Amino acid sequence: GAGVSQTPSNKVTEKGKYVELRCDPISGHTALYWYRQSLGQGPEFLIYFQGTGAADDSGLPNDRFFAVRPEGSVSTLKIQRTERGDSAVYLCASSQAATQETQYFGPGTRLLVL
Amino acid sequence: SQQGEEDPQALSIQEGENATMNCSYKTSINNLQWYRQNSGRGLVHLILIRSNEREKHSGRLRVTLDTSKKSSSLLITASRAADTASYFCATDAGGNTPLVFGKGTRLSVIA
Repeated sequence: GAGVSQTPSNKVTEKGKYVELRCDPISGHTALYWYRQSLGQGPEFLIYFQGTGAADDSGLPNDRFFAVRPEGSVSTLKIQRTERGDSAVYLCASSQAATQETQYFGPGTRLLVL
Repeated sequence: SQQGEEDPQALSIQEGENATMNCSYKTSINNLQWYRQNSGRGLVHLILIRSNEREKHSGRLRVTLDTSKKSSSLLITASRAADTASYFCATDAGGNTPLVFGKGTRLSVIA
């Protein structure tokens, strides 16, 4: 079956612009996670959904970042007023349940803010 | 913030040799997992070891966990050029807490 997919693969934007990053989890996976990975670092947790609700958004760096998962499947990470420091690879992962078992990662979206 | 620290940061070995990477963490954990990442993109799950386990094997991979020292090691035996990647450990504290990743070890296997 299909794995986790993310679109776009790459996104270049200008400082101050708004961007949306999309994640399609594995069908049937109820838990969905967003991470951000800067160059030379490990992924850092941003937000986690169980179904449609954000169960833990403690990793979101500030109120410019927001994520939704309205139907409990596809999720969109939204970044307002982008800053150069937002440049990173944004990774999405899903798991069958929120039991901290294996998370399946998508290929990521590489965001570059000029 | 990141919980784990992998050691070494970078490792270069010849094909056929064994590669050992270590991970240390700071707080109590429920599970510890190792992931692999090629070219800075998606991560692939390798192996999960629970806090009450001490050693686990999967193919050419051997993972140990020492909760008293808050450390884990990943051994890749008979390495291949295709094993070249970054390897990350990730821990969770149970109860729907998020995975916390280390900074990773960059492994280069030279043919």
